[in-house]
Amino acid sequence: QVQLQESGPGLVKPSQTVSLTCTVSGGSINSRAYYWTWIRQHPGKGLEWIGYIYYSGNTYYNPSLKSRVTLSVDTSKNQFSLKLTSVTAADTAIYYCAREDSYSRSYFFDFWGRGTLVTVSS
Amino acid sequence: QSALTQPPSASGSPGQSVTISCTGTTSDVGGYNYVSWYQHHPGKAPKVLIYEVNKRPSGVPDRFSGSKSGNTASLTVSGLQAEDEADYHCSSYAGSNNYVFGTGTKVSVL
Repeated sequence: QVQLQESGPGLVKPSQTVSLTCTVSGGSINSRAYYWTWIRQHPGKGLEWIGYIYYSGNTYYNPSLKSRVTLSVDTSKNQFSLKLTSVTAADTAIYYCAREDSYSRSYFFDFWGRGTLVTVSS
Repeated sequence: QSALTQPPSASGSPGQSVTISCTGTTSDVGGYNYVSWYQHHPGKAPKVLIYEVNKRPSGVPDRFSGSKSGNTASLTVSGLQAEDEADYHCSSYAGSNNYVFGTGTKVSVL
């Protein structure tokens, strides 16, 4: 069974860039079958879709975050990553990575990680 | 796009049913049959319960059911069990490779 695990710095200062990594185990990230996704949840709030990346490197982003987000994939490490620039307190959230089946295009996320908390504070 | 609207909380006694609504617009919930529901126990990975409005992935009990009418989707949990106490989130495709989630509902089992 596929498993996803997020990792990141935990605490980031305002205006800096935060980089998060999702390590995939139990399956290959180098597959046409899946989109690899980042989703976040602000404290006490609902979820927010950030964007996804395909094994080929094609990306799609939430328009509200597009100017600050970059997703990348490292097939040799079976990882994909998120870089968010110019962070503010509003970026404090739990960040989740997840998988979407690209073949069925049913637009849902079948496997998720447990999330990693990012706190933006000086 | 704006978040889908869910009630902040819902509750029921063991064995009862609880229904959670998820209201959007014609640009998301009303425009596509791509509504999904997730159960999330804090600290654990969210789990998909329903996709394409009313389909259950393998392994999800049939106590969980989904439906949609117009711009509002619903998740019903029948025969409530203590383990159903969790946060529930809806999601909808919103066109142009965009997705929108709901505001989340905390379900309590009394």
